[in-house]
Amino acid sequence: AQSVTQLDSQVPVFEEAPVELRCNYSSSVSVYLFWYVQYPNQGLQLLLKYLSGSTLVESINGFEAEFNKSQTSFHLRKPSVHISDTAEYFCAVSPNTGNQFYFGTGTSLTVIP
Amino acid sequence: GAVVSQHPSRVICKSGTSVKIECRSLDFQATTMFWYRQFPKQSLMLMATSNEGSKATYEQGVEKDKFLINHASLTLSTLTVTSAHPEDSSFYICSARDLRKGVGEAFFGQGTRLTVV
Repeated sequence: AQSVTQLDSQVPVFEEAPVELRCNYSSSVSVYLFWYVQYPNQGLQLLLKYLSGSTLVESINGFEAEFNKSQTSFHLRKPSVHISDTAEYFCAVSPNTGNQFYFGTGTSLTVIP
Repeated sequence: GAVVSQHPSRVICKSGTSVKIECRSLDFQATTMFWYRQFPKQSLMLMATSNEGSKATYEQGVEKDKFLINHASLTLSTLTVTSAHPEDSSFYICSARDLRKGVGEAFFGQGTRLTVV
């Protein structure tokens, strides 16, 4: 069975400050890892994903996440946030032998001017 | 990236009526589609998984007679909420994957805000 834990339900941060959103998972099989972002009243948009290869993955808007197998973590980071980054962020895993996604409970990031 | 279109984006219906939500993959063939329900400030709860041409697999606790799912083609899946009640009011989101392309991301629709009055 798979489970995803996002330890921080709400993260307020000042504009241009760095941020880290934490994600830990547990799984009995190998998994693929994803971060999705959700803006109010919208669906989810893929931010970045780890399938294989380099453990550090980056998005086009400055976010990055590092897969740490020993710590079963996939924390999301950004060195300098913008107001437009205010949204809900979901970490998700998908077993490499299955087709379902398992989501964390989400982290609400609020960027303060 | 691939596009999944969900319609309608908002719907208000009277208690006791049925509502159909459509989910279309516009530029790829979705071998598998997922339907989620999301309550305010909460994560997505998987309701069911549907594979094209076969019956949907429902998660525990989800009434299959109330939430009818049809995945008749590789580009269209529908969720029908039958005899809707106010407690069915929620945000419903579909997602789609093409598993023939191996592992990949799931693409999400824009969501449907259902309000039952």
